[in-house]
Amino acid sequence: GAVVSQHPSRVICKSGTSVKIECRSLDFQATTMFWYRQFPKKSLMLMATSNEGSKATYEQGVEKDKFLINHASLTLSTLTVTSAHPEDSSFYICSASELTSGRNYEQFFGPGTRLTVL
Amino acid sequence: GQQLNQSPQSMFIQEGEDVSMNCTSSSIFNTWLWYKQDPGEGPVLLIALYKAGELTSNGRLTAQFGITRKDSFLNISASIPSDVGIYFCAGNYGGSQGNLIFGKGTKLSVKP
Repeated sequence: GAVVSQHPSRVICKSGTSVKIECRSLDFQATTMFWYRQFPKKSLMLMATSNEGSKATYEQGVEKDKFLINHASLTLSTLTVTSAHPEDSSFYICSASELTSGRNYEQFFGPGTRLTVL
Repeated sequence: GQQLNQSPQSMFIQEGEDVSMNCTSSSIFNTWLWYKQDPGEGPVLLIALYKAGELTSNGRLTAQFGITRKDSFLNISASIPSDVGIYFCAGNYGGSQGNLIFGKGTKLSVKP
């Protein structure tokens, strides 16, 4: 149980285009989904936290107009990188917390999306 | 802000050896989690700890939630080559949305 999928796993795009990444909880309902960014050989950096049906909470320094997050249902959240530039190239990982287990501090991670902006 | 110190940063061990890594925080945490990340993959939850003093095992892995609630350790016994990866500790200090703070990771290399 507690499987999270992410799509696509890799994406290469041209500078100036927008890229959408999907995160789905496959076998559970997620109260909260989280979006992280990870640089090579570094730890995970939280970008934003989203709850179904409400606006995402962004961490300090993360541009909300640049990284659009939509959490349309208890099983799907999307991150759109708008007008992507080479400095946005990174490994983006989502995670989800289970709704009813009572252990909602346990985050289950997706496999990540490698974004390369040319 | 909250900080987690994870050590060691990296370890090179022989297959069959035991491994120990730990995390300390500057403040009290309610939850400690240990994750393993393979290259190009998302982290996988290994063990979750919810009570001070709690000692939990998952196969060859054992983790403890420190009595002071400011530290946790992870032990791996009889390491095997597939234990290679980066291990992250993560903690929650009571934030309402369940936000986790991550350590910087311990990179484990195992020589067959």
